[in-house]
Amino acid sequence: GENVEQHPSTLSVQEGDSAVIKCTYSDSASNYFPWYKQELGKGPQLIIDIRSNVGEKKDQRIAVTLNKTAKHFSLHITETQPEDSAVYFCAASISGNQFYFGTGTSLTVIP
Amino acid sequence: NAGVTQTPKFQVLKTGQSMTLQCAQDMNHEYMSWYRQDPGMGLRLIHYSVGAGITDQGEVPNGYNVSRSTTEDFPLRLLSAAPSQTSVYFCASSYPGNEQFFGPGTRLTVL
Repeated sequence: GENVEQHPSTLSVQEGDSAVIKCTYSDSASNYFPWYKQELGKGPQLIIDIRSNVGEKKDQRIAVTLNKTAKHFSLHITETQPEDSAVYFCAASISGNQFYFGTGTSLTVIP
Repeated sequence: NAGVTQTPKFQVLKTGQSMTLQCAQDMNHEYMSWYRQDPGMGLRLIHYSVGAGITDQGEVPNGYNVSRSTTEDFPLRLLSAAPSQTSVYFCASSYPGNEQFFGPGTRLTVL
């Protein structure tokens, strides 16, 4: 099956700086790559996603890039704010039927 | 819309007891799934369903049963609880190939 690796496991940045989280996947058939934010005591919530026919997608301060050849995708958060502090998960899916998640990145934004 | 609801929020069981975790969604989503979340391991798929009457196994199905008699409900059954099943359980729903919506989770402790 699919194997998704995520790095780093923890990340601390100063408010206003950028944060980058990277994931790799193993199955070249994966074609849908969502990113989730999980706040303490809550379920994960989608923040951005990308499909395999697109190389980059942006939504205000959040962007995701995908390199199909290298089988990796990254989450970029610019101008970080304290409310960005949370655990972030990447995932990979083949046509949205089974999702395989990374192990998560705990992001702390220091005011 | 209530979205995805899960009950109970917390549960403590003794080894060998059985119980059912409830999950319901009111978005008419075809796809529903159950995950467990353990520290440092991300979310792992237990079982999923692509529609009423259809279920399939995910990465870690042993010790769990599911059924999908209606579009709205997808209960997860633990037949004989074991300490290794101590975890946080999340239910999710989506249209195939699209954003998954997660419930708030059930925190289960097996003594």
